[in-house]
Amino acid sequence: SAVISQKPSRDICQRGTSLTIQCQVDSQVTMMFWYRQQPGQSLTLIATANQGSEATYESGFVIDKFPISRPNLTFSTLTVSNMSPEDSSIYLCSVGVGQYYEQYFGPGTRLTVT
Amino acid sequence: GQNIDQPTEMTATEGAIVQINCTYQTSGFNGLFWYQQHAGEAPTFLSYNVLDGLEEKGRFSSFLSRSKGYSYLLLKELQMKDSASYLCAVLDSNYQLIWGAGTKLIIKP
Repeated sequence: SAVISQKPSRDICQRGTSLTIQCQVDSQVTMMFWYRQQPGQSLTLIATANQGSEATYESGFVIDKFPISRPNLTFSTLTVSNMSPEDSSIYLCSVGVGQYYEQYFGPGTRLTVT
Repeated sequence: GQNIDQPTEMTATEGAIVQINCTYQTSGFNGLFWYQQHAGEAPTFLSYNVLDGLEEKGRFSSFLSRSKGYSYLLLKELQMKDSASYLCAVLDSNYQLIWGAGTKLIIKP
């Protein structure tokens, strides 16, 4: 397994601003993922961030809106740019480790855009 | 397209047994995961099935039938702390995790 921390745990931001979310893992991992989860709904994958390569974005998500950095094997950031109220959500990072490459999740960042 | 179906919500009684079903249609199959998510918390890994049959882990068991595209999570001796959402996820041929919408399980005393 892996222990994952995220900062900030929550934030309230104004429309048009940007927020950078940090994800720190207690061990070196190759695969990191960023998800968004609306209240009461399931997980939506934003992008996969592997160290040493550009992040791979899912349909509906673009780098200009959600730039991702992955400078080393224990850390990643996701920026939510030019925010609108529709970006209000919980953002989760996860890592794929373990015997089955099961994913372990950070505690999440609850973002509210006003 | 890829699709995973789970019931939206289920209710069960403390001490009883509940079965949460999951059916899937995906591009290839490299395993099926069950996760538990308490309200306001991150999902936590419960089980993994890649071969047909039943995997038992304490009060929780998970079953898989690849030919039917079907899995279930069985929870025994239900406790109030089992109230949570249960997410089914399939690893497709590209090793991409496809997530179901989750089943909200409500436990009543």
